[in-house]
Amino acid sequence: DTAVSQTPKYLVTQMGNDKSIKCEQNLGHDTMYWYKQDSKKFLKIMFSYNNKELIINETVPNRFSPKSPDKAHLNLHINSLELGDSAVYFCASSHSRVDTQYFGPGTRLTVL
Amino acid sequence: AQTVTQSQPEMSVQEAETVTLSCTYDTSESDYYLFWYKQPPSRQMILVIRQEAYKQQNATENRFSVNFQKAAKSFSLKISDSQLGDAAMYFCAYFQGGSEKLVFGKGTKLTVNP
Repeated sequence: DTAVSQTPKYLVTQMGNDKSIKCEQNLGHDTMYWYKQDSKKFLKIMFSYNNKELIINETVPNRFSPKSPDKAHLNLHINSLELGDSAVYFCASSHSRVDTQYFGPGTRLTVL
Repeated sequence: AQTVTQSQPEMSVQEAETVTLSCTYDTSESDYYLFWYKQPPSRQMILVIRQEAYKQQNATENRFSVNFQKAAKSFSLKISDSQLGDAAMYFCAYFQGGSEKLVFGKGTKLTVNP
């Protein structure tokens, strides 16, 4: 009965590779988000989607591309991975654009 | 831009005691929401409590309560009867409907001593 799930939970890869993180929510929410938590635990929003439409696109390198195939899924694809991309990435969802956000378990990405 | 400040990077409390975590925020808006999230070592971000700015009554969830001082832009979290399972990073967050962004503070690491 997981509400917001992410796969994988851990991802270790080499610089220059391309990787994807998947997120799914079974809460029936309309809005989904990607956050990045850096090594100092600071959390910052990257993207938000509402009904598959991009709403927020923070100052994020073009190498990061979110894709929402349907309301329940929001995937994050990262091209040409760099050392600085190492972080924990959280997916979240909310009933609407102004409702409480519920987070997934996070994906720890390590770029070597 | 809105900012959220948690001035205590670390706090500790004895089991069964009460602890208060501080949070201040900067905004020119009158309608917004404030949250406390907990992140235990498992890394999961867990919603602890939510406060609507238009409500004068302080939110309460079991052992967790807030002291919301709108004029002072202060939103502290009180944990009563602390338990070992309360040990975690606690993040204060601000949300305003206009920007639709949840802005987090840098967190307070809470240690609970047996």
